[in-house]
Amino acid sequence: DAKTTQPTSMDCAEGRAANLPCNHSTISGNEYVYWYRQIHSQGPQYIIHGLKNNETNEMASLIITEDRKSSTLILPHATLRDTAVYYCISTSGTYKYIFGTGTRLKVLA
Amino acid sequence: GAVVSQHPSWVICKSGTSVKIECRSLDFQATTMFWYRQFPKQSLMLMATSNEGSKATYEQGVEKDKFLINHASLTLSTLTVTSAHPEDSSFYICSAGTGTGNGKLFFGSGTQLSVL
Repeated sequence: DAKTTQPTSMDCAEGRAANLPCNHSTISGNEYVYWYRQIHSQGPQYIIHGLKNNETNEMASLIITEDRKSSTLILPHATLRDTAVYYCISTSGTYKYIFGTGTRLKVLA
Repeated sequence: GAVVSQHPSWVICKSGTSVKIECRSLDFQATTMFWYRQFPKQSLMLMATSNEGSKATYEQGVEKDKFLINHASLTLSTLTVTSAHPEDSSFYICSAGTGTGNGKLFFGSGTQLSVL
């Protein structure tokens, strides 16, 4: 499965949109992009996933570039509860996730 | 959505004893489950793939005799840390997929193990 790279940390003001980028330049055609987040001392929580098209759900939006080499997770109105480590993962459906370092998002009051 | 239950949430044990951690898929059957460990301020590291009815597949560097995995049913996998030592203290997390083919995993809430 492809390797992903993300910035180590980001800050975002409460109420503003948080845009978290992910690079997956070696992704193959059948690999999905998944986003999870992990709040301290808890298991990862699913946020959203996509293959080619942009996706939106009640938690976030996922923007995937046309060449699929990168994506951006958008939290439209960040709250303090969104402070967490966000992981971007690409997988072909084998379930064998390889976690990168993730992005530590801090939402500031 | 699918729920993965992990128990216990935390455990403290003496050095040399064994500890068992359970991972259950509550509303779906999981032929494959995964076990991770996580040290403070680090990412999740895949330890092993648990296969129902067969031997687990361990990642390189993970001692199979140290971390015993049993996946005896389609809804339960267990991880036993044998002869635990302080360096085994870590956060252990399990996960499972529903088998729909899109690769979505559901994670347990994790178990914090502290070995004294």
